[in-house]
Amino acid sequence: DTAVSQTPKYLVTQMGNDKSIKCEQNLGHDTMYWYKQDSKKFLKIMFSYNNKELIINETVPNRFSPKSPDKAHLNLHINSLELGDSAVYFCASSQLTGPRGETQYFGPGTRLLVL
Amino acid sequence: AQTVTQSQPEMSVQEAETVTLSCTYDTSESNYYLFWYKQPPSRQMILVIRQEAYKQQNATENRFSVNFQKAAKSFSLKISDSQLGDTAMYFCAFGAGNSGNTPLVFGKGTRLSVIA
Repeated sequence: DTAVSQTPKYLVTQMGNDKSIKCEQNLGHDTMYWYKQDSKKFLKIMFSYNNKELIINETVPNRFSPKSPDKAHLNLHINSLELGDSAVYFCASSQLTGPRGETQYFGPGTRLLVL
Repeated sequence: AQTVTQSQPEMSVQEAETVTLSCTYDTSESNYYLFWYKQPPSRQMILVIRQEAYKQQNATENRFSVNFQKAAKSFSLKISDSQLGDTAMYFCAFGAGNSGNTPLVFGKGTRLSVIA
């Protein structure tokens, strides 16, 4: 009964290709996020969506385009992949209200390797 | 902008012993949340414990507890009776509460090894 799921878990691709990572949450949360974890394990926010609307874009190159078809899904599309895009990408979700409000629940991560 | 500092890149502890991981943060926000997440080799980010800044009482979750010192902007994690399964990267994270559902700001992590 997975709360936040991501597909695929692993993605190996050539430089210049276009790829997508999908994320779905079944928690009924209003807000979803994409984080990037680099090779030194540092986690940094990329995007934040609330009820399908983009809230935060942290100076991410426009080769990265998030899309939220509904509030349970937030997909990440990457054009013209570069070597520096190799990282682990985490999707997360949260709900503002309630006893666990503001707590973010993470997906299992997608390890992207660009060759 | 908020910052989170974890000054211990690596730590080790004997099984069944107690270990404390340190975290300090900087913010001008009055309402915020603090978290510790655990990332084992499986890569999954697992919530360990959560603290609301407006609560003076330190949060506890079984063997995990925090020492929250708001004036000092310190939020350390204590793990009691350490188990081999506690071996993981531990991340301290800050979430501003006023504007709702803001992204987390993470520290660089502490790699904890529990030794048998």
